[in-house]
Amino acid sequence: NAGVTQTPKFQVLKTGQSMTLQCAQDMNHNSMYWYRQDPGMGLRLIYYSASEGTTDKGEVPNGYNVSRLNKREFSLRLESAAPSQTSVYFCASRMGLRIDEQFFGPGTRLTVL
Amino acid sequence: QKEVEQNSGPLSVPEGAIASLNCTYSDRGSQSFFWYRQYSGKSPELIMFIYSNGDKEDGRFTAQLNKASQYVSLLIRDSQPSDSATYLCAVNDNDMRFGAGTRLTVKP
Repeated sequence: NAGVTQTPKFQVLKTGQSMTLQCAQDMNHNSMYWYRQDPGMGLRLIYYSASEGTTDKGEVPNGYNVSRLNKREFSLRLESAAPSQTSVYFCASRMGLRIDEQFFGPGTRLTVL
Repeated sequence: QKEVEQNSGPLSVPEGAIASLNCTYSDRGSQSFFWYRQYSGKSPELIMFIYSNGDKEDGRFTAQLNKASQYVSLLIRDSQPSDSATYLCAVNDNDMRFGAGTRLTVKP
């Protein structure tokens, strides 16, 4: 039982390049989330998927797209990376009930030059 | 826009003291509330959740919720140096929202 996994762990991009961050969970959770974390800013929600087949914008969706590929996988795509997207990205999942916790992946540290 | 506010700190307490961490939220309809701990360079991990008004205790940790005041707090009794971390308050709707976190340092 691996929990929530993310790939890659580290990535350096040049401005304008694109990439996809991968996230998978093996806990049969319904809901999945993408956050970014910048120093002093806490976790800010980018997109989430309350259930398979649905996605919704969070606080900071601009410049990102997501795909809920199946129940296990939720990917985050940067179409044209900008230096402002330099951050640590966390994927999380939860069953989706009112009182259940989120489980987080180990994070992806992304630098855009 | 749903807001979750925390005092960013840093909060410094001596070993053995009580650390008090506070959080306010803007959405009166929010149902459940979570406290996460995050060590530097690591992922957040759950400490406690609470959804009823009042206190909830788990070992050295007590969460307090006051929905009328839209306020939730976390008390850490007998603080230890290993409690030094950033504490994140999270409010659950479908889209779990986090505060900016309070950095706690426990000095030996």
